[in-house]
Amino acid sequence: DIVMTQTPLSLSVTPGQPASISCKSSQSLLHSDGKTYLYWYLQKPGQPPQLLIYEFSNRFSGVPDRFSGSGSGTDFTLKISRVEAEDVGVYYCMQSIQLPLTFGGGTKVEIK
Amino acid sequence: EVQLVESGGGLVQPGGSLRLSCAASGFTLSSYWMHWVRQAPGKGLVWVSRINSDGSSTGYADSVKGRFTISRDNARNTLYLEMNSLRGEDTAVYYCARGWVPQNWGQGTLVTVSS
Repeated sequence: DIVMTQTPLSLSVTPGQPASISCKSSQSLLHSDGKTYLYWYLQKPGQPPQLLIYEFSNRFSGVPDRFSGSGSGTDFTLKISRVEAEDVGVYYCMQSIQLPLTFGGGTKVEIK
Repeated sequence: EVQLVESGGGLVQPGGSLRLSCAASGFTLSSYWMHWVRQAPGKGLVWVSRINSDGSSTGYADSVKGRFTISRDNARNTLYLEMNSLRGEDTAVYYCARGWVPQNWGQGTLVTVSS
């Protein structure tokens, strides 16, 4: 199984400041079809997860442009350019290049 | 509006069985792959199973293989998860999700395995 490792475990951010979360996979997520199968989710308190980023850098429908994804191969980053109060929750990365789909352990983002 | 509503969770003894349902509305279920993902209390997300749009192909996490069965009834717009030989470690909120990868998620249903 592909192991997904996220850092940091938690992050406390002042509103308006940037935030960055790292995700590393134990195998390359670049497929022979040219796509990179890395996804980012946010689970707000008491809610199901919501998809933020698909194929490592594409924002899902309705996701604000302060969220961006970057990276390649096995190293990926989710950046929030200016954190807002509504961004609190746990962020997960996930790979879908092979079954089983596997998630990172999560990064909890709090507001200072 | 896309809606996914899970049901069928509850308290079950170790070794028991449950069938979860996921009622889909606002879209045509037969056009989408579907997943079950679970989350133990206070823990992270764990993928459980996936089924393709016509039900001809399925996949499972090793931890549930041979015990859980995913299925779908596209005519009834419903996804299922049959869970047998339940263990304490199966205790979790079970989410159904739409898409080749989980895109839209339901609110989840809690399964508690305990004597």
